[in-house]
Amino acid sequence: GAGVSQSPSNKVTEKGKDVELRCDPISGHTALYWYRQSLGQGLEFLIYFQGNSAPDKSGLPSDRFSAERTGGSVSTLTIQRTQQEDSAVYLCASSISGTLSSYEQYFGPGTRLTVT
Amino acid sequence: QKEVEQNSGPLSVPEGAIASLNCTYSDRGSQSFFWYRQYSGKSPELIMFIYSNGDKEDGRFTAQLNKASQYVSLLIRDSQPSDSATYLCAMRGRQAGTALIFGKGTTLSVSS
Repeated sequence: GAGVSQSPSNKVTEKGKDVELRCDPISGHTALYWYRQSLGQGLEFLIYFQGNSAPDKSGLPSDRFSAERTGGSVSTLTIQRTQQEDSAVYLCASSISGTLSSYEQYFGPGTRLTVT
Repeated sequence: QKEVEQNSGPLSVPEGAIASLNCTYSDRGSQSFFWYRQYSGKSPELIMFIYSNGDKEDGRFTAQLNKASQYVSLLIRDSQPSDSATYLCAMRGRQAGTALIFGKGTTLSVSS
């Protein structure tokens, strides 16, 4: 079946501009996660959505970052007034919630963001 | 202290050998552990998960968990050049459904 999809695959933007990154999770997955991976670094958790509950925003690095999830499916990560240090690959993952065995997260292909 | 630690490598092994990848973690309450493989320029893909102490085998892969010593390892038997990638160790904390905490990964190189 279809996996997690993300768009765009690549985004180049000028410093100070706003960007929106989109994630479409696997159908039926109620949990959605955003991570980012900077060059040579591990994956850094950003935000987590579970069903209709309030999102866990504890990983967002600054108030320039926000995310929403409409209708419990598609999510958009917005970065306002982008800075060069925001350059990274932004990865979205989804998982089924319910039983312990179904907590595995499946990743999308990522969006490579370059801020010039 | 970092929550999940891995040796960055590179770990180099000849084709056909056993590759051993190790990971330690700081939170004794962690319940579940995952190994992801990431090829250069690609997104991580799940290869193994383990929740209970002991070994879990899946094909050429064996995950080992020792909660008392707070380490988890991944063994790859009969290593192939196609196994060359970065292997990410991740854990989930006490609460189910929460985000994963990743190590920085170990780069494995299998030479033919």
